[in-house]
Amino acid sequence: NAGVTQTPKFRVLKTGQSMTLLCAQDMNHEYMYWYRQDPGMGLRLIHYSVGEGTTAKGEVPDGYNVSRLKKQNFLLGLESAAPSQTSVYFCASSRGSYGNEQFFGPGTRLTVL
Amino acid sequence: AQRVTQPEKLLSVFKGAPVELKCNYSYSGSPELFWYVQYSRQRLQLLLRHISRESIKGFTADLNKGETSFHLKKPFAQEEDSAMYYCALIESGTYKYIFGTGTRLKVLA
Repeated sequence: NAGVTQTPKFRVLKTGQSMTLLCAQDMNHEYMYWYRQDPGMGLRLIHYSVGEGTTAKGEVPDGYNVSRLKKQNFLLGLESAAPSQTSVYFCASSRGSYGNEQFFGPGTRLTVL
Repeated sequence: AQRVTQPEKLLSVFKGAPVELKCNYSYSGSPELFWYVQYSRQRLQLLLRHISRESIKGFTADLNKGETSFHLKKPFAQEEDSAMYYCALIESGTYKYIFGTGTRLKVLA
């Protein structure tokens, strides 16, 4: 089992460029999440999904879009990158029931110049 | 609003000393609380959850509803405990996790 994987691991963008981060999980989890981690801010939820074909906004959704076309994949898109989106992005998945843990990916370090 | 507060950004202790990482929460209802840990160059992973009442790597955490706290404790710190620790709760109904800002623990030799 690979668990939760993220592609790419690192990326440098110029302001205004677009990109998509891919998260994949092989645990048949219903719930998937995208977070950003910034110094002193902890983990902040961007968007999440409670099942295939569904998405919902988290705490900091502006500037990001997501899609969950397949149960195992959760894509995070930046349409027009800004320097404020420089961060480490983590994907996570869980079974969704109360008390279940989240399993995290290794993270994607994104720098926007 | 639901909130998780970790008042210390950095906590430094000597090896063998007791450790307490503080976590306070604001939540209307019965909270489901967790501690996650991120060791250097590793991914975030679950350390313990309050419903399990377990001790992992010598760490324990007790839910105190009166003080709305879920502090993480270990009687004797080890150098390998150095890591970033996050307290989190699940929002019932949505299953969204709310994380604190994290505390970096440094255990000095």
